[in-house]
Amino acid sequence: DAGVIQSPRHEVTEMGQEVTLRCKPISGHNSLFWYRQTMMRGLELLIYFNNNVPIDDSGMPEDRFSAKMPNASFSTLKIQPSEPRDSAVYFCASSLLWGGNQPQHFGDGTRLSIL
Amino acid sequence: QKEVEQNSGPLSVPEGAIASLNCTYSDRVSQSFFWYRQYSGKSPELIMSIYSNGDKEDGRFTAQLNKASQYVSLLIRDSQPSDSATYLCAVGASGTYKYIFGTGTRLKVLA
Repeated sequence: DAGVIQSPRHEVTEMGQEVTLRCKPISGHNSLFWYRQTMMRGLELLIYFNNNVPIDDSGMPEDRFSAKMPNASFSTLKIQPSEPRDSAVYFCASSLLWGGNQPQHFGDGTRLSIL
Repeated sequence: QKEVEQNSGPLSVPEGAIASLNCTYSDRVSQSFFWYRQYSGKSPELIMSIYSNGDKEDGRFTAQLNKASQYVSLLIRDSQPSDSATYLCAVGASGTYKYIFGTGTRLKVLA
């Protein structure tokens, strides 16, 4: 079975450019999570969706960040305009929405470098 | 502020020994606990989940949960160099569907 699929795997862009990260959750999973990982701050939850609805976006650092989930099989995380401090690895994870916290399964991540 | 604490390490153990990784958490009503392994440059990989007090075994891995003392641990028996990685503890935040992650413990298994 296919796991969580993220694209692109690597992104290098200049400051000020728009960046769009994409995620396809595991089929049948109805919770989706966006994380950011850096050496300094570890793994941080940015936002999560249940049944395509954003539930908690308190981890989104600034208005420059936005996330959407137009359907059950696709989500995007957008940064506009990007800044060097946004450089990090961004992970998407998905889980079943049932009876409390279920195991989350992570994609391979997008390594983002803002020059 | 709900928190999950782990010793950052590195924890060094010789090959074949038992590695013991510990995690404490602050949310007294948390019900779900997870251990992830993350190799350098890779994504977190789920190893174990545990929901009830006591021990849960899966191959060389044993997760231990003590809700009264608010700690969860991971034991790795017969440690192998391939077990060298960062181990992340995650606790389900009560009343939500999200985890609180610890900062991870780096394990080094010496051949």
